[in-house]
Amino acid sequence: DTAVSQTPKYLVTQMGNDKSIKCEQNLGHDTMYWYKQDSKKFLKIMFSYNNKELIINETVPNRFSPKSPDKAHLNLHINSLELGDSAVYFCASNQRTIGETQYFGPGTRLLVL
Amino acid sequence: AQRVTQPEKLLSVFKGAPVELKCNYSYSGSPELFWYVQYSRQRLQLLLRHISRESIKGFTADLNKGETSFHLKKPFAQEEDSAMYYCALSGNSGGSNYKLTFGKGTLLTVNP
Repeated sequence: DTAVSQTPKYLVTQMGNDKSIKCEQNLGHDTMYWYKQDSKKFLKIMFSYNNKELIINETVPNRFSPKSPDKAHLNLHINSLELGDSAVYFCASNQRTIGETQYFGPGTRLLVL
Repeated sequence: AQRVTQPEKLLSVFKGAPVELKCNYSYSGSPELFWYVQYSRQRLQLLLRHISRESIKGFTADLNKGETSFHLKKPFAQEEDSAMYYCALSGNSGGSNYKLTFGKGTLLTVNP
């Protein structure tokens, strides 16, 4: 059984378009995250939700809007895509306590042309 | 503020050689430290965490609070160890919100 899943796996789109990436976890965790891995493999947190409530927002442009319909899902909607948005986006989840392992999804590879 | 530094972007060793991936951190509180590994085009997965003090796939890491380091070591590298390794710190980002801060990663290549 896949613990943290993301769709789509690959996304190729034109500049200016709007796209969404979906994430689901079946681990019963209460906290979910979005990370961006850039072309240099640098991994940076974007958002974190705990029980559908936004708890971390790391100065991400407001073109990025996360939505958590329930604690098992965290979707990422991106408006007016730019070339610099090309990256791999990883979703992760854990229980919100210090020291708890985060479990990552397989990643969504976004290419903006 | 919390910061993780991995000074080596690339590390290349021969099979059977010892390997050490360096990690230093900066954090005012008591940190929880992790090593995550990403094999080629796969998801990140936990390799080990300092709190459990275990050895996974022959890797160990000791937290040295005096030197603020959490270096990853393996006495005899294997070709299947080739991957990107990320050191990460879990700290309090404000209130009770814990976030994971990653280093920039070290790409380990183990040559035959």
